[in-house]
Amino acid sequence: QKEVEQNSGPLSVPEGAIASLNCTYSDRVSQSFFWYRQYSGKSPELIMSIYSNGDKEDGRFTAQLNKASQYVSLLIRDSQPSDSATYLCAVDAGNMLTFGGGTRLMVKP
Amino acid sequence: NAGVTQTPKFQVLKTGQSMTLQCAQDMNHNSMYWYRQDPGMGLRLIYYSASEGTTDKGEVPNGYNVSRLNKREFSLRLESAAPSQTSVYFCATSSLAGGPANEQFFGPGTRLTVL
Repeated sequence: QKEVEQNSGPLSVPEGAIASLNCTYSDRVSQSFFWYRQYSGKSPELIMSIYSNGDKEDGRFTAQLNKASQYVSLLIRDSQPSDSATYLCAVDAGNMLTFGGGTRLMVKP
Repeated sequence: NAGVTQTPKFQVLKTGQSMTLQCAQDMNHNSMYWYRQDPGMGLRLIYYSASEGTTDKGEVPNGYNVSRLNKREFSLRLESAAPSQTSVYFCATSSLAGGPANEQFFGPGTRLTVL
């Protein structure tokens, strides 16, 4: 059983701080990694994809991948209350994705 | 462009009733997926269709059937609904053009309650 693990949270950070979300996965052959944001009552929205070891930055978001440690993370700089949501980590498994349970992030004004 | 659409948005069924959830996409994607999402359980794959004419079971296929009607449409059928199928159902699509990339895009979801 391929697994993707996330701390369910909630992770609470003050406005303007850096939020750090973490994800570990079990399948060593996985090649593609994704972060989705899901607001309460809404559908998941893709915010970052990463395929190579290292960092990938997009605006306030940075995804970090370490395949040797089977670890992927998402950093959100200058966190805003509008970033409050559940963040889902997803890992490719051939023709499909395996999702973690999500981490709930709360950004307090 | 509507992206991925799902109907209905909400549905209440009695145990034993049947229904079909519809999904359509205008993204010209090859692959389509059905997930269910339960509190504390994350997204779990029910069935997927890698391309028109093919379907495969995911993690939790029991109690469901699917039809890939054409490239645009992928339906999920509950033949005899059970309370355990109360959930939020999401359809997703992916281009799966080759290689490892598998970015998936989700529809708005269907909230199903089985009494």
